Amino acid sequence: QSALTQPASVSGSPGQSITISCTGTSSDVARYNYVSWYQHYPGKAPKVMIYDVSNRPSGVSNRFSGSKSGNTASLTISGLQAEDEADYYCSSYTSSSTLVFGGGTKLTVL
Amino acid sequence: QVQLQESGPGLVKPSETLSLTCSVSGYSISSDDYYWGWIRQPPGKGLEWIGSIFHSGKTFYNPSLRSRVTISLDAFKNQFSLNLNSVTATDTAVFYCARLGPYFRQVDYWGQGALVTVSS
Repeated sequence: QSALTQPASVSGSPGQSITISCTGTSSDVARYNYVSWYQHYPGKAPKVMIYDVSNRPSGVSNRFSGSKSGNTASLTISGLQAEDEADYYCSSYTSSSTLVFGGGTKLTVL
Repeated sequence: QVQLQESGPGLVKPSETLSLTCSVSGYSISSDDYYWGWIRQPPGKGLEWIGSIFHSGKTFYNPSLRSRVTISLDAFKNQFSLNLNSVTATDTAVFYCARLGPYFRQVDYWGQGALVTVSS
């Protein structure tokens, strides 16, 4: 299975909004609403920020939101803060009953 | 509080088998609600799902690793394990054990990660 496609890096200034895209295929992102997003600081375990395309787990800031159109899912972070600087990964369930991750996006807060 | 902890050798020789165990506390792996799995991250690279197991013993594997991977569980010990055989240097990674929801819709609990290096 091929990894979902994410931009290698994005950046933004504090207070701005950024969006990270995650492009899959008709066998994963387009087919199921089982897309999730993870925030990963180096040396730490990843943390789920969004699941089922747009649901936020309890305790996750409402500055994080998710959406999907066709085979592309998106994570938007509004009111960017320095603490948001991290790696972000999307994932999707697939028609083969497997899980596939995106290649990851490094977010830099300028 | 659900906690997961990986254990196993940090160094494995090429062509040998990498074995890790994940001990789970605060939740029974015999529950119908969740799957249990392994995810790895090679140095400088992204996350890769290795495979998952349900309490019934049904397993799901990454097609690219299927021929070399076995995931099993021990309900009495509330543990599950990973075996990856015929390892090479490209298998060097931080290995995470994790709890996954139905349809792997979210990975809500992760272990702290265990670095395994493949080297002679």
